[in-house]
Amino acid sequence: GAVVSQHPSRVICKSGTSVKIECRSLDFQATTMFWYRQFPKQSLMLMATSNEGSKATYEQGVEKDKFLINHASLTLSTLTVTSAHPEDSSFYICSARESSGGLPDTQYFGPGTRLTVL
Amino acid sequence: SQQGEEDPQALSIQEGENATMNCSYKTSINNLQWYRQNSGRGLVHLILIRSNEREKHSGRLRVTLDTSKKSSSLLITASRAADTASYFCALNSGGYQKVTFGTGTKLQVIP
Repeated sequence: GAVVSQHPSRVICKSGTSVKIECRSLDFQATTMFWYRQFPKQSLMLMATSNEGSKATYEQGVEKDKFLINHASLTLSTLTVTSAHPEDSSFYICSARESSGGLPDTQYFGPGTRLTVL
Repeated sequence: SQQGEEDPQALSIQEGENATMNCSYKTSINNLQWYRQNSGRGLVHLILIRSNEREKHSGRLRVTLDTSKKSSSLLITASRAADTASYFCALNSGGYQKVTFGTGTKLQVIP
Protein backbone atom coordinates (compact mmCIF):
# COMPACT_ATOMS: atom_id res chain seq x y z
CA GLY A 1 0.00 0.00 0.00
CA ALA A 2 0.91 3.65 -0.30
CA VAL A 3 3.32 4.85 2.36
CA VAL A 4 3.85 8.35 3.68
CA SER A 5 6.77 9.18 5.91
CA GLN A 6 7.43 12.14 8.14
CA HIS A 7 10.69 13.42 9.52
CA PRO A 8 11.48 14.00 12.27
CA SER A 9 9.12 11.90 14.35
CA ARG A 10 9.82 13.97 17.43
CA VAL A 11 11.46 17.34 17.94
CA ILE A 12 12.09 19.47 20.99
CA CYS A 13 13.19 23.04 20.45
CA LYS A 14 13.60 26.31 22.28
CA SER A 15 11.10 29.10 21.95
CA GLY A 16 11.90 31.38 19.03
CA THR A 17 13.53 28.80 16.82
CA SER A 18 12.17 27.48 13.54
CA VAL A 19 11.40 23.84 12.92
CA LYS A 20 11.03 22.11 9.57
CA ILE A 21 8.94 18.97 9.18
CA GLU A 22 9.14 16.87 6.03
CA CYS A 23 6.38 14.78 4.55
CA ARG A 24 7.25 12.31 1.80
CA SER A 25 5.19 9.96 -0.29
CA LEU A 26 7.49 6.98 -0.68
CA ASP A 27 6.00 4.96 -3.48
CA PHE A 28 3.57 7.26 -5.22
CA GLN A 29 3.29 10.77 -6.52
CA ALA A 30 1.13 13.27 -4.70
CA THR A 31 0.13 16.58 -6.24
CA THR A 32 -1.82 17.35 -3.12
CA MET A 33 -0.76 16.94 0.48
CA PHE A 34 -2.51 18.06 3.61
CA TRP A 35 -1.16 19.27 6.93
CA TYR A 36 -3.08 18.70 10.16
CA ARG A 37 -2.50 19.62 13.75
CA GLN A 38 -3.75 17.61 16.67
CA PHE A 39 -3.73 18.79 20.26
CA PRO A 40 -3.81 16.21 23.05
CA LYS A 41 -7.04 14.26 23.25
CA GLN A 42 -8.53 16.26 20.41
CA SER A 43 -9.35 15.63 16.80
CA LEU A 44 -7.25 16.56 13.80
CA MET A 45 -7.66 20.06 12.48
CA LEU A 46 -6.74 20.79 8.88
CA MET A 47 -4.18 23.56 8.68
CA ALA A 48 -3.51 23.80 4.97
CA THR A 49 -3.64 22.10 1.62
CA SER A 50 -0.29 21.86 -0.08
CA ASN A 51 -0.29 21.86 -3.88
CA GLU A 52 2.78 20.89 -5.87
CA GLY A 53 4.24 23.86 -7.69
CA SER A 54 1.85 26.43 -6.27
CA LYS A 55 1.01 28.22 -3.07
CA ALA A 56 -0.61 26.38 -0.23
CA THR A 57 -4.21 27.02 0.69
CA TYR A 58 -4.57 27.80 4.38
CA GLU A 59 -7.60 27.21 6.54
CA GLN A 60 -9.20 30.08 8.33
CA GLY A 61 -7.29 31.11 11.42
CA VAL A 62 -3.99 29.54 10.37
CA GLU A 63 -1.17 32.07 10.02
CA LYS A 64 0.53 31.76 6.65
CA ASP A 65 3.66 33.51 7.79
CA LYS A 66 4.04 31.30 10.80
CA PHE A 67 3.42 27.97 9.12
CA LEU A 68 5.34 28.01 5.87
CA ILE A 69 4.52 25.24 3.44
CA ASN A 70 6.58 24.27 0.45
CA HIS A 71 5.59 21.52 -1.98
CA ALA A 72 8.55 21.52 -4.31
CA SER A 73 8.14 18.07 -5.80
CA LEU A 74 5.51 15.41 -6.30
CA THR A 75 6.82 13.44 -3.35
CA LEU A 76 7.80 16.07 -0.80
CA SER A 77 6.04 18.76 1.18
CA THR A 78 7.59 20.63 4.07
CA LEU A 79 6.01 22.53 6.93
CA THR A 80 8.18 25.07 8.72
CA VAL A 81 6.99 26.39 12.04
CA THR A 82 8.71 29.75 12.29
CA SER A 83 9.60 31.36 15.59
CA ALA A 84 7.96 28.54 17.48
CA HIS A 85 6.33 29.20 20.84
CA PRO A 86 5.10 26.79 23.52
CA GLU A 87 1.53 27.10 22.24
CA ASP A 88 2.71 25.60 18.94
CA SER A 89 3.53 22.37 20.72
CA SER A 90 1.35 19.77 19.07
CA PHE A 91 1.23 16.65 16.96
CA TYR A 92 1.58 17.53 13.28
CA ILE A 93 0.37 15.00 10.73
CA CYS A 94 0.53 15.12 6.97
CA SER A 95 -1.42 13.16 4.43
CA ALA A 96 -1.12 12.67 0.71
CA ARG A 97 -3.46 11.72 -2.07
CA GLU A 98 -2.23 9.76 -5.06
CA SER A 99 -2.06 11.81 -8.23
CA SER A 100 -3.14 8.95 -10.43
CA GLY A 101 -4.36 5.45 -9.95
CA GLY A 102 -4.83 4.03 -6.50
CA LEU A 103 -8.01 4.33 -4.53
CA PRO A 104 -9.82 7.57 -5.26
CA ASP A 105 -10.71 9.84 -2.38
CA THR A 106 -8.30 8.09 -0.06
CA GLN A 107 -5.64 9.92 1.83
CA TYR A 108 -2.59 8.20 3.20
CA PHE A 109 -1.34 9.56 6.47
CA GLY A 110 2.15 9.94 7.78
CA PRO A 111 3.05 8.75 11.28
CA GLY A 112 3.08 12.27 12.67
CA THR A 113 5.65 14.60 14.24
CA ARG A 114 5.51 15.46 17.91
CA LEU A 115 6.70 19.06 18.39
CA THR A 116 7.51 20.31 21.86
CA VAL A 117 8.53 23.93 22.25
CA LEU A 118 10.19 24.77 25.55
CA SER B 1 -16.30 23.44 6.91
CA GLN B 2 -18.30 21.09 9.06
CA GLN B 3 -16.99 18.74 11.67
CA GLY B 4 -18.59 15.44 12.48
CA GLU B 5 -19.81 14.80 15.98
CA GLU B 6 -19.06 11.35 17.27
CA ASP B 7 -20.58 9.45 20.10
CA PRO B 8 -19.81 8.02 22.42
CA GLN B 9 -16.66 9.98 23.23
CA ALA B 10 -15.31 6.93 25.00
CA LEU B 11 -16.28 3.29 24.98
CA SER B 12 -14.97 0.43 27.07
CA ILE B 13 -15.94 -3.15 26.25
CA GLN B 14 -14.80 -6.69 26.89
CA GLU B 15 -12.90 -8.60 24.26
CA GLY B 16 -15.29 -10.46 22.01
CA GLU B 17 -18.07 -7.92 22.30
CA ASN B 18 -19.17 -5.67 19.47
CA ALA B 19 -18.36 -1.97 19.45
CA THR B 20 -20.55 0.61 17.78
CA MET B 21 -19.69 4.24 17.30
CA ASN B 22 -21.67 6.91 15.54
CA CYS B 23 -20.91 10.01 13.54
CA SER B 24 -23.42 12.75 12.79
CA TYR B 25 -22.95 15.73 10.50
CA LYS B 26 -24.92 18.71 9.30
CA THR B 27 -24.48 19.34 5.59
CA SER B 28 -24.27 17.14 2.50
CA ILE B 29 -21.19 15.04 1.84
CA ASN B 30 -19.50 13.32 -1.07
CA ASN B 31 -18.20 10.52 1.07
CA LEU B 32 -17.47 9.61 4.66
CA GLN B 33 -14.39 7.78 5.84
CA TRP B 34 -13.42 6.09 9.06
CA TYR B 35 -9.90 6.13 10.44
CA ARG B 36 -8.17 4.54 13.40
CA GLN B 37 -5.43 6.17 15.41
CA ASN B 38 -3.34 4.37 17.96
CA SER B 39 -2.07 6.58 20.75
CA GLY B 40 0.53 9.03 19.52
CA ARG B 41 0.56 7.60 16.03
CA GLY B 42 -0.65 8.50 12.57
CA LEU B 43 -3.97 7.51 11.11
CA VAL B 44 -4.91 4.31 9.39
CA HIS B 45 -7.66 4.41 6.78
CA LEU B 46 -10.33 1.81 7.52
CA ILE B 47 -13.16 2.25 5.11
CA LEU B 48 -14.80 4.77 2.80
CA ILE B 49 -18.49 4.95 2.06
CA ARG B 50 -19.89 7.15 -0.66
CA SER B 51 -23.02 9.22 -0.36
CA ASN B 52 -24.94 6.85 -2.64
CA GLU B 53 -24.03 3.79 -0.58
CA ARG B 54 -25.84 2.58 2.49
CA GLU B 55 -23.60 -0.12 3.89
CA LYS B 56 -20.07 -1.46 3.44
CA HIS B 57 -18.15 -4.29 4.98
CA SER B 58 -14.47 -4.91 5.46
CA GLY B 59 -13.49 -7.89 7.55
CA ARG B 60 -14.89 -7.32 11.05
CA LEU B 61 -15.91 -3.77 10.17
CA ARG B 62 -19.36 -2.72 9.07
CA VAL B 63 -20.16 0.85 8.16
CA THR B 64 -23.60 2.25 7.50
CA LEU B 65 -24.59 5.62 6.12
CA ASP B 66 -27.98 7.26 6.40
CA THR B 67 -27.90 10.47 4.41
CA SER B 68 -31.45 11.35 5.39
CA LYS B 69 -30.43 11.37 9.04
CA LYS B 70 -26.94 12.64 8.22
CA SER B 71 -25.32 9.94 10.27
CA SER B 72 -22.97 7.02 9.94
CA SER B 73 -22.05 4.17 12.22
CA LEU B 74 -19.00 1.98 12.52
CA LEU B 75 -19.48 -1.49 13.96
CA ILE B 76 -16.53 -3.61 15.00
CA THR B 77 -17.59 -7.18 15.60
CA ALA B 78 -15.87 -9.65 17.91
CA SER B 79 -13.53 -6.97 19.23
CA ARG B 80 -9.94 -7.70 20.17
CA ALA B 81 -7.55 -5.98 22.53
CA ALA B 82 -5.63 -4.78 19.47
CA ASP B 83 -8.69 -2.77 18.41
CA THR B 84 -8.02 -0.40 21.30
CA ALA B 85 -7.54 3.00 19.63
CA SER B 86 -9.31 6.22 18.79
CA TYR B 87 -11.67 6.12 15.84
CA PHE B 88 -12.49 9.16 13.73
CA CYS B 89 -14.99 9.76 11.01
CA ALA B 90 -13.86 12.12 8.27
CA LEU B 91 -16.20 14.02 6.01
CA ASN B 92 -15.48 14.93 2.41
CA SER B 93 -17.77 17.70 1.29
CA GLY B 94 -15.77 19.52 -1.33
CA GLY B 95 -12.98 19.45 -3.83
CA TYR B 96 -9.35 18.42 -3.58
CA GLN B 97 -10.40 15.56 -1.37
CA LYS B 98 -10.21 17.81 1.68
CA VAL B 99 -11.69 16.09 4.69
CA THR B 100 -12.67 17.31 8.11
CA PHE B 101 -12.40 14.98 11.05
CA GLY B 102 -14.97 14.21 13.67
CA THR B 103 -14.42 14.53 17.36
CA GLY B 104 -13.42 10.90 17.75
CA THR B 105 -14.37 7.93 19.88
CA LYS B 106 -11.79 6.41 22.18
CA LEU B 107 -12.31 2.66 22.29
CA GLN B 108 -10.82 0.44 24.94
CA VAL B 109 -11.11 -3.31 24.57
CA ILE B 110 -10.38 -5.13 27.78
CA PRO B 111 -8.75 -8.56 27.38
